[in-house]
Amino acid sequence: GAGVSQSPSNKVTEKGKDVELRCDPISGHTALYWYRQSLGQGLEFLIYFQGNSAPDKSGLPSDRFSAERTGGSVSTLTIQRTQQEDSAVYLCASSLGPSRDQAFFGQGTRLTVV
Amino acid sequence: GEDVEQSLFLSVREGDSSVINCTYTDSSSTYLYWYKQEPGAGLQLLTYIFSNMDMKQDQRLTVLLNKKDKHLSLRIADTQTGDSAIYFCAESTGAGSYQLTFGKGTKLSVIP
Repeated sequence: GAGVSQSPSNKVTEKGKDVELRCDPISGHTALYWYRQSLGQGLEFLIYFQGNSAPDKSGLPSDRFSAERTGGSVSTLTIQRTQQEDSAVYLCASSLGPSRDQAFFGQGTRLTVV
Repeated sequence: GEDVEQSLFLSVREGDSSVINCTYTDSSSTYLYWYKQEPGAGLQLLTYIFSNMDMKQDQRLTVLLNKKDKHLSLRIADTQTGDSAIYFCAESTGAGSYQLTFGKGTKLSVIP
């Protein structure tokens, strides 16, 4: 597709369950970012992938969060043993490269932990 | 550390101009952005400005940058109801830096 695609658009899960969120970046974009937007808050950086380099995981809030990017394209953000404070909109973005900061965002996945 | 501040709410009448303000603290910021988020949607890049510029105009949008005061503004001329959204200011330190630091967003409400 022409834009960044995220799935699912909405996810409701029970506390303690694991969830996987998917991001399909724009074709040809080597940089991929995950952000989290909590209610009433700005966007919080989570993790960044650039090409084949080791990802920058400095924004991940705990070791329950992990992400991978297969084949330099699709990325999956996994949250293990979800907690209520994990409820947020998870946004994925991609850009042409590290020096091209014009990131294009997907519509996000709204995660609700009950 | 880096910080980006915005007022949370702005209400304007249709046809008036809207001015959304933002302040940032990182003096090494190179790129400054405005994003728009409509209800239930992701972020849409509206415009950006390099720190060596003080103004950028794009149709109804005018971005003003006061680098000395670390103040950025977005002016929307002839505001329409379709402009109702949350507007995020963001900054980055440019080449080699990929992390965007966002403000909390300003919710613009346009009154018909």
